Amino acid sequence: DAGVIQSPRHEVTEMGQEVTLRCKPISGHDYLFWYRQTMMRGLELLIYFNNNVPIDDSGMPEDRFSAKMPNASFSTLKIQPSEPRDSAVYFCASSQLGTSEPGTQYFGPGTRLTVL
Amino acid sequence: QKEVEQDPGPLSVPEGAIVSLNCTYSNSAFQYFMWYRQYSRKGPELLMYTYSSGNKEDGRFTAQVDKSSKYISLFIRDSQPSDSATYLCALSRSSGDKLTFGTGTRLAVRP
Repeated sequence: DAGVIQSPRHEVTEMGQEVTLRCKPISGHDYLFWYRQTMMRGLELLIYFNNNVPIDDSGMPEDRFSAKMPNASFSTLKIQPSEPRDSAVYFCASSQLGTSEPGTQYFGPGTRLTVL
Repeated sequence: QKEVEQDPGPLSVPEGAIVSLNCTYSNSAFQYFMWYRQYSRKGPELLMYTYSSGNKEDGRFTAQVDKSSKYISLFIRDSQPSDSATYLCALSRSSGDKLTFGTGTRLAVRP
């Protein structure tokens, strides 16, 4: 399996621009998570989905952030408009119940976002 | 107060040393306990997985959970420079629940 795939790996944009981050979870996984990581705040959960349905979006910082999962193999995290304080590494992770270690999350390589 | 507390370090040890990494937590509902390792500019990867209390050993790594004290530990024996990374504890209440992560401890093993 290729693991969790994220694109782009790096994104540099200017304040006010729209940013779209993409994630392909591991095939067969039924949970998908979006995280943001910064030096100051560590790893923060933004939102997670179960079977393509958003379960908990309490970590989404504000209305500028939105996430969708139109099908089991694709999710997007959108920031519109972007601000310099959104600069961080954004991780996508997926997991599956019914395994020997249920709930284990597998992380993608991350997208390093810089907003100028 | 955060649900999970973890000393951020950094922790610097010589090669071959025994390393002890710890987290404390406040929510007694946590049942699943994990340790993730994150190399620089990479995503976290699962290192150890424990359900409920007890010890689990995997090679040079041992994970301990003491639910009565709300304290979890990761021990690394015969530490190697390749163990240099950030170690994050992660806890959840059920197998379908979100993970609550510690802030991570940065470890450097000197050759």
